[in-house]
Amino acid sequence: DVKVTQSSRYLVKRTGEKVFLECVQDMDHENMFWYRQDPGLGLRLIYFSYDVKMKEKGDIPEGYSVSREKKERFSLILESASTNQTSMYLCASRWTAGEAFFGQGTRLTVV
Amino acid sequence: DQQVKQNSPSLSVQEGRISILNCDYTNSMFDYFLWYKKYPAEGPTFLISISSIKDKNEDGRFTVFLNKSAKHLSLHIVPSQPGDSAVYFCAARTSGNTPLVFGKGTRLSVIA
Repeated sequence: DVKVTQSSRYLVKRTGEKVFLECVQDMDHENMFWYRQDPGLGLRLIYFSYDVKMKEKGDIPEGYSVSREKKERFSLILESASTNQTSMYLCASRWTAGEAFFGQGTRLTVV
Repeated sequence: DQQVKQNSPSLSVQEGRISILNCDYTNSMFDYFLWYKKYPAEGPTFLISISSIKDKNEDGRFTVFLNKSAKHLSLHIVPSQPGDSAVYFCAARTSGNTPLVFGKGTRLSVIA
């Protein structure tokens, strides 16, 4: 079974903090993705990565950065958390073709 | 500009009946389409997919239909069960190594 694991289920951070969301996959997938899900807006792509040390901006990259130093790990970084970044964050991975597999999600609240 | 549209935010169906969830897309370069199911506080799980060379794909109670000329796909669930109550996302991508583009989702409620 493919496993995509996100480091936290729930997280509460203060405005201005630097926040790290970690994601690890165990299937040697080349591609990894970060989405956020908000009510009425669906899943929106923040960043993705095709390979180690490679990254591409998605639709809403502002206020975020990513790191992929190892194939199995893809980190999302909120440089200075703001209340409008309160959301459900979803990590996914897949091979070049086929479906993407998602982690369980991290519900981030910025206060 | 939204490339994948799910125009019904919610749908309510009686247990045992058919659920039909619809999805429209605007990008004619999309060639692979997927449906995901999501429960609250969990990540989406893959349900079924279809490539543009087909017009139908079945997996148990789930069938996806693709109408390329209308740029429309639908997910049929027969028979619907209370455990099917969830948010369903339609997704699509172009050929090559490209990310999935998701619709906004439809919340399905199956009433016993």
